[in-house]
Amino acid sequence: KAGVTQTPRYLIKTRGQQVTLSCSPISGHRSVSWYQQTPGQGLQFLFEYFSETQRNKGNFPGRFSGRQFSNSRSEMNVSTLELGDSALYLCASSLAGDSQETQYFGPGTRLLVL
Amino acid sequence: AQSVTQLDSQVPVFEEAPVELRCNYSSSVSVYLFWYVQYPNQGLQLLLKYLSGSTLVESINGFEAEFNKSQTSFHLRKPSVHISDTAEYFCAVNAGGTSYGKLTFGQGTILTVHP
Repeated sequence: KAGVTQTPRYLIKTRGQQVTLSCSPISGHRSVSWYQQTPGQGLQFLFEYFSETQRNKGNFPGRFSGRQFSNSRSEMNVSTLELGDSALYLCASSLAGDSQETQYFGPGTRLLVL
Repeated sequence: AQSVTQLDSQVPVFEEAPVELRCNYSSSVSVYLFWYVQYPNQGLQLLLKYLSGSTLVESINGFEAEFNKSQTSFHLRKPSVHISDTAEYFCAVNAGGTSYGKLTFGQGTILTVHP
């Protein structure tokens, strides 16, 4: 079974631009969560999608948004990029997003904002 | 709200020595507890998790963790480490209920195994 895939793996953008990251979950998984990982703040939860609906959201500004498609693939978008948005963005999938389920992580997209 | 504290940011140890990575959590509700490992330039992989039942949980590669409700701890241990165990380890909680897909992570512990 193929794991969680994320594209692109690396991105370089400049301040003020916007960026879209993509995540394909494990086949059969319907829940996708997104996390931001930085040296200073560690791993922080962004949001979770299930059946094309956002069910849970972390404490991030509205510049961070996401969506999920009918095939469970998910995208996240960051508008008006700031230097502080430089991070590793990880997505994780699980069957239904229930609390007891294991989340399976992708390799991440490393975003550098100049 | 829940929070997770990993008490050591870095733990150096010699090969074949025992190791303990400490994790404490705070939550007003019952939680589910996880340990994940991250190797360089990779995503996170589940090591083990505690959901209910026996307070001692084990992984297939020799790690174990003990859930202690009174001390709100979930420390990770291995009796004899290998060079290949060098990685960053994260403790995480999920508070259940409507915490869909949300893991709250500690700051991570970098385990470095020296020959």
